[in-house]
Amino acid sequence: GDSVTQMEGPVTLSEEAFLTINCTYTATGYPSLFWYVQYPGEGLQLLLKATKADDKGSNKGFEATYRKETTSFHLEKGSVQVSDSAVYFCALSGGTSYGKLTFGQGTILTVHP
Amino acid sequence: EAGVVQSPRYKIIEKKQPVAFWCNPISGHNTLYWYLQNLGQGPELLIRYENEEAVDDSQLPKDRFSAERLKGVDSTLKIQPAELGDSAVYLCASSPRTGEGSYEQYFGPGTRLTVT
Repeated sequence: GDSVTQMEGPVTLSEEAFLTINCTYTATGYPSLFWYVQYPGEGLQLLLKATKADDKGSNKGFEATYRKETTSFHLEKGSVQVSDSAVYFCALSGGTSYGKLTFGQGTILTVHP
Repeated sequence: EAGVVQSPRYKIIEKKQPVAFWCNPISGHNTLYWYLQNLGQGPELLIRYENEEAVDDSQLPKDRFSAERLKGVDSTLKIQPAELGDSAVYLCASSPRTGEGSYEQYFGPGTRLTVT
């Protein structure tokens, strides 16, 4: 079945540092890819998405590019803020995951002033 | 626009007791999902509804879990009897309808269940 693998966390950075959270996937067909964010005490929120190969999703300074050749969807941000501290989930939908999201295990990000 | 509403936010029960979670999706959203999120893991789908029909319940442990979505709006997820291993966060989500990825899923804040 489909699966998503995220880099091990937690990730701890200083404010204004560069962020990369790696995500790779295994899926049949051509899934859509997502990054969700979960702030403390809140529900999951869609951060960005890409629905086909070479698409770049972007939002709030975060970016991720759908790389079919490497089956990856790495999340990047050039300068993180303390307010970016949260849990980040990579997910896919489509293929055998039609009608549902298949999530990675999540990566905890902590940003210090 | 109101988001997905879930209640209660927290629930503590003793094992073997029943428990129920309620979800009100975003108005007009035909598709409703229940996910289970264990500590330190990503959510996993339990059941998906299209209007009032459960179209994917393959991951729902039917010996103790049940769900309903009367009139295709609100939904209730029940566990009877609860076991220690059921301690987790139960998430409800909705989307306008099912799609390959075009339709974003909107999540509620979840119900954190602790079984003692």
